[in-house]
Amino acid sequence: DTEVTQTPKHLVMGMTNKKSLKCEQHMGHRAMYWYKQKAKKPPELMFVYSYEKLSINESVPSRFSPECPNSSLLNLHLHALQPEDSALYLCASSQEVAGGESNQPQHFGDGTRLSIL
Amino acid sequence: AQSVSQHNHHVILSEAASLELGCNYSYGGTVNLFWYVQYPGQHLQLLLKYFSGDPLVKGIKGFEAEFIKSKFSFNLRKPSVQWSDTAEYFCAVNDRCQAGTALIFGKGTTLSVSS
Repeated sequence: DTEVTQTPKHLVMGMTNKKSLKCEQHMGHRAMYWYKQKAKKPPELMFVYSYEKLSINESVPSRFSPECPNSSLLNLHLHALQPEDSALYLCASSQEVAGGESNQPQHFGDGTRLSIL
Repeated sequence: AQSVSQHNHHVILSEAASLELGCNYSYGGTVNLFWYVQYPGQHLQLLLKYFSGDPLVKGIKGFEAEFIKSKFSFNLRKPSVQWSDTAEYFCAVNDRCQAGTALIFGKGTTLSVSS
């Protein structure tokens, strides 16, 4: 079992709906990440939070809105998504944060499989 | 720009066969190197990692990888595969000097092991 918990595991929503994906970790990690993985493709970074502050936004459309309420939680708010946004959304965390040397791996959750109708 | 190339898209082996999956990266700075595995319906799991030191690293489940700096390679090996090794394997890199940045993944290699 992974130590990064994502809910829900599956989500089907219409293009006009508003929903949120949730990610939680209790490893004391201070960096958290959202990745998007399309079928048969590698994960691609969307956002990075370091110490609850957004540090990287990889030119993600505004219909995706990340939020980091505290050091253990990371949300991804969804609104007015398009069919091409259907994918597996992965959350990850790592012990390190921006500004230092990288020497810790990222730990991944099971993902939320999102389908847009 | 950083990039990772995995040479084999789909590898099919019989149990007990030896495995080697190729990975090459392109990056102008110092990198960390990883192999992740994704079993069907499961999350990405770290197989092994290289940060510094001995270029031959050993991971879980009998896997190992060798970092060859001159070839920008980090190939994954296992002497004898099992049916349970059937999975998707991703090579990944990130910047050693910048913590909290993206993992750049290769396109992945699907390994199918027949019993």
